[in-house]
Amino acid sequence: DAKTTQPPSMDCAEGRAANLPCNHSTISGNEYVYWYRQIHSQGPQYIIHGLKNNETNEMASLIITEDRKSSTLILPHATLRDTAVYYCIVLSKIQGAQKLVFGQGTRLTINP
Amino acid sequence: GAGVSQTPSNKVTEKGKYVELRCDPISGHTALYWYRQSLGQGPEFLIYFQGTGAADDSGLPNDRFFAVRPEGSVSTLKIQRTERGDSAVYLCASSLGRTTDTQYFGPGTRLTVL
Repeated sequence: DAKTTQPPSMDCAEGRAANLPCNHSTISGNEYVYWYRQIHSQGPQYIIHGLKNNETNEMASLIITEDRKSSTLILPHATLRDTAVYYCIVLSKIQGAQKLVFGQGTRLTINP
Repeated sequence: GAGVSQTPSNKVTEKGKYVELRCDPISGHTALYWYRQSLGQGPEFLIYFQGTGAADDSGLPNDRFFAVRPEGSVSTLKIQRTERGDSAVYLCASSLGRTTDTQYFGPGTRLTVL
């Protein structure tokens, strides 16, 4: 699976958009980009995933560059409850159910 | 509906003892995963089941760790002769078992080995 690189920490003001970058320069054509987050003392929570098109759901938007070497998770109106560690994970689509490989993630702090 | 549940939520044991950690997946989920998370680190894969069989156990650190899922639902992670380095949060997740199916995580069991 491709390796991902994320900044270790970020801050964002409450009510503003939080933009979390992820580099995955070695991603291959059959690999998805997944985002999970982990709020303190809880298990990881799925946010969104995509292959090459931009995706949006009720939680966030995922913007994937045309060359697929990087992506950005956007939380449009961050709240204090969005404070968490955010993980960007690359996952092959050809192997069926499979393990997630977590890196260190980005610790996002939303400030009032 | 009910999510993934794990028991106990906390377990304190002494070095050398045997422990069992239980995971109840979401009903109907055929895939079940165990991960371990040490302080300040991301979760680390241990083992995954598809139905009753272990499809990938490459993450188990050594033969003191073993997991079962005899009826394809509840799973138990077993650790023999515990060591202080086994202290961590043990997370369980389940999914429908296809490629893009979301993994849903339980709250974890915090294991402390004294």
